[in-house]
Amino acid sequence: GESVGLHLPTLSVQEGDNSIINCAYSNSASDYFIWYKQESGKGPQFIIDIRSNMDKRQGQRVTVLLNKTVKHLSLQIAATQPGDSAVYFCAENMKTSYDKVIFGPGTSLSVIP
Amino acid sequence: DVKVTQSSRYLVKRTGEKVFLECVQDMDHENMFWYRQDPGLGLRLIYFSYDVKMKEKGDIPEGYSVSREKKERFSLILESASTNQTSMYLCASSPLETQYFGPGTRLLVL
Repeated sequence: GESVGLHLPTLSVQEGDNSIINCAYSNSASDYFIWYKQESGKGPQFIIDIRSNMDKRQGQRVTVLLNKTVKHLSLQIAATQPGDSAVYFCAENMKTSYDKVIFGPGTSLSVIP
Repeated sequence: DVKVTQSSRYLVKRTGEKVFLECVQDMDHENMFWYRQDPGLGLRLIYFSYDVKMKEKGDIPEGYSVSREKKERFSLILESASTNQTSMYLCASSPLETQYFGPGTRLLVL
């Protein structure tokens, strides 16, 4: 079925290291992808997005990579900080009769001081 | 900055009560959404709206209804709350593709 999934449900990294969070999507027709960060007790926050005509997009300390051949998305966080501890969701926008967004189950990132 | 607010952060209700969850956005977005978030199930779409007075069912509309009388406000209604509606409820709004979320309402139905 249509789904967006994550390879790892939890990830622990040392403060200062780089983090890589992975996501697999299933719909080849999806043309827009988003990463969200959700801190405990809060709603998801938009981090970065990428369109299917791009392979890479960079933000402040974050980079999203898109591999359409294997339908894989990743979020890289440079110099991970304690404030990066959160659940990270990927989401794909499926072009149906409306902009249907499918969210992955999330990866919990823990930063070890 | 986009601001989406939800009327309550925490709510405790009894089975059978009618529950109103309010969501307001200040960015003149056309689209608004209601999700519930449960451990292991992720975000599931309940209802969404493209415009005032318009509403569409999402993936799990049973037991819920919505109202959008004004562009900035989207209400989720539980006509008769049940214990299986205990959850985190998230409202979102979007101008086009990117959805911006509110802080969430954690609802406990006893």
